[in-house]
Amino acid sequence: AQSVAQPEDQVNVAEGNPLTVKCTYSVSGNPYLFWYVQYPNRGLQFLLKYITGDNLVKGSYGFEAEFNKSQTSFHLKKPSALVSDSALYFCAVRDGSSASKIIFGSGTRLSIRP
Amino acid sequence: DTEVTQTPKHLVMGMTNKKSLKCEQHMGHRAMYWYKQKAKKPPELMFVYSYEKLSINESVPSRFSPECPNSSLLNLHLHALQPEDSALYLCASSQDLFGRDGAMNTEAFFGQGTRLTVV
Repeated sequence: AQSVAQPEDQVNVAEGNPLTVKCTYSVSGNPYLFWYVQYPNRGLQFLLKYITGDNLVKGSYGFEAEFNKSQTSFHLKKPSALVSDSALYFCAVRDGSSASKIIFGSGTRLSIRP
Repeated sequence: DTEVTQTPKHLVMGMTNKKSLKCEQHMGHRAMYWYKQKAKKPPELMFVYSYEKLSINESVPSRFSPECPNSSLLNLHLHALQPEDSALYLCASSQDLFGRDGAMNTEAFFGQGTRLTVV
């Protein structure tokens, strides 16, 4: 069965500093990995995805993520954090052997202080 | 148009009421989803439709009844709900369950959700 883990409930970063939000996954087939962001009382916004190819994926709002197959990780990164990046971030996975399900991690609350 | 539109935004219903949540997309997506999200928790998959047919039911109680009248619309009919069913209900769509090349490379686009309160 597929699963995805976000080990940190909360990440606190000063504005202008780099940020990392961690994600590890477990799938039986090829992994299809996604990051979403959710602002209060809103739906989820797609940030980026890894399907195949380059391990470093670039997405919306200056975010990027690095796929590491040996560590089964897909950490979200940004070189310089903005206060407006403060939100709830979800990592998600679609199992290559089970088409239909997109399964979400528990979420990480990112707080950027001015 | 890259939007998934959900109505209503907020809904308060009694335990004996019947109501429906509606979801619409005009991106030509052939897969549509219902998720339930409790506060500070991740979205939990409820149902998946593929080409207007129910593909997955995650053992959801029968008081939730999905319907896909056409490729652009997805409804969730509610009847005899319990207070613990109060949550944010999210609709999503994706191009397909499989991408054009057979790979599952399609991300899901989410609506803003319906905040449901059962009293």
